[in-house]
Amino acid sequence: DIQMTQSPSSLSAFVGDRVTITCRASQNINNYLNWYQQKSGRAPKLLINLASNLRSGVPSRFSGSGSGTDFTLTISSLQPDDFATYYCQQSYGTPYTFGQGTKLEIK
Amino acid sequence: QVQLQESGPGLVKPSETLSLTCTVSGGSINNYYWSWVRQPPGKGLEWIGYIYYTGTTDYNPSLKSRVTISVDTSKNQFSLRLTSVTAADTAVYYCLKPFDYWGQGTLVTVSS
Repeated sequence: DIQMTQSPSSLSAFVGDRVTITCRASQNINNYLNWYQQKSGRAPKLLINLASNLRSGVPSRFSGSGSGTDFTLTISSLQPDDFATYYCQQSYGTPYTFGQGTKLEIK
Repeated sequence: QVQLQESGPGLVKPSETLSLTCTVSGGSINNYYWSWVRQPPGKGLEWIGYIYYTGTTDYNPSLKSRVTISVDTSKNQFSLRLTSVTAADTAVYYCLKPFDYWGQGTLVTVSS
């Protein structure tokens, strides 16, 4: 299985801050990397697929980058609605695997 | 806009079989892959498997001996069966059209 490792596991930040979450794959996954946002009691929401493709309706303050084994999710200016848990996931090969999550909290 | 809705028992006894159905609305189940993901309370996400509308499946090896995913195109539904459940199978189960459309999730608790 491809292991996905996210860092940090938790993060405190202020509204307006620029935040970066990283995700590392245990092997080359090209750009088959998805990012999700999950709020408490809700299903995950796909934000970005293929490492950098912003899904329709997702604010432009979210961006993704990377290829191979190292990826980042950046939120350019945190908004109150962005405080949630974020997951990366590889769709390069089955079993599809997720990172352990990054909980983003208000400072 | 595709919508998915999970249904099934919220409580299953240990050693019994967990059965869930996902009803797809707003679009046809044909020509697409469909999947199940689960999330134990307070923990991360685990991919269970997928099915193509033709019936082709792929399962997570960690669950492969216990899981079956099936599809009923006439009802626009697909289903999950997980046998010999234990407390470790307690989770919110999500059905999804990989990876942009998700059901709301249903909590299944394994307890006597």
